[in-house]
Amino acid sequence: QKEVEQDPGPLSVPEGAIVSLNCTYSNSAFQYFMWYRQYSRKGPELLMYTYSSGNKEDGRFTAQVDKSSKYISLFIRDSQPSDSATYLCAMRASNTGNQFYFGTGTSLTVIP
Amino acid sequence: DAGVIQSPRHEVTEMGQEVTLRCKPISGHNSLFWYRQTMMRGLELLIYFNNNVPIDDSGMPEDRFSAKMPNASFSTLKIQPSEPRDSAVYFCASSPGGFPIRNTEAFFGQGTRLTVV
Repeated sequence: QKEVEQDPGPLSVPEGAIVSLNCTYSNSAFQYFMWYRQYSRKGPELLMYTYSSGNKEDGRFTAQVDKSSKYISLFIRDSQPSDSATYLCAMRASNTGNQFYFGTGTSLTVIP
Repeated sequence: DAGVIQSPRHEVTEMGQEVTLRCKPISGHNSLFWYRQTMMRGLELLIYFNNNVPIDDSGMPEDRFSAKMPNASFSTLKIQPSEPRDSAVYFCASSPGGFPIRNTEAFFGQGTRLTVV
């Protein structure tokens, strides 16, 4: 079993829709949870970061962490064509050095 | 800062040839990571360095792969001999690191798209 599981999609939604992206994980030591966005032929870039459980909102983006269920989500409200990208979740524990554990990524297309 | 710089951006080589990928991390970052990305397997960690020392190379697929970090501003990933199944996008990333973790962001380069024919 992989440390982090993510549905690869692809996901296709109309402009303005609410998008929900999810990851599950198995390591209860993970404390730092991130979402990266990767545009075609580019490197991933950090989009959101959350420490431990709870919600974090940044504009149209909301990140949720449920440590009891080992489940994290990224919600995109009023999705735009510019949101079309691959979204990767990533996690880190405080006791495993600086290693990042990535999901495989979900490909999202927002149709105008 | 120009960010993480990788070279070359594209590499096409014949099976059996040696391939060397290069990375310049962001100045001051203590951790450096090499990843390989394919459609089938997503982003896979190959190896990571902390303060120029290899910490975990369990992701290096075979002895054909080797990585070095001779100083804080340069790292190489070498494949010798290369095979068609090595075709992928190879990313280098760096992070400020430190312990306990104060900054969790990894900064990625633009990647090297490798094609082995």
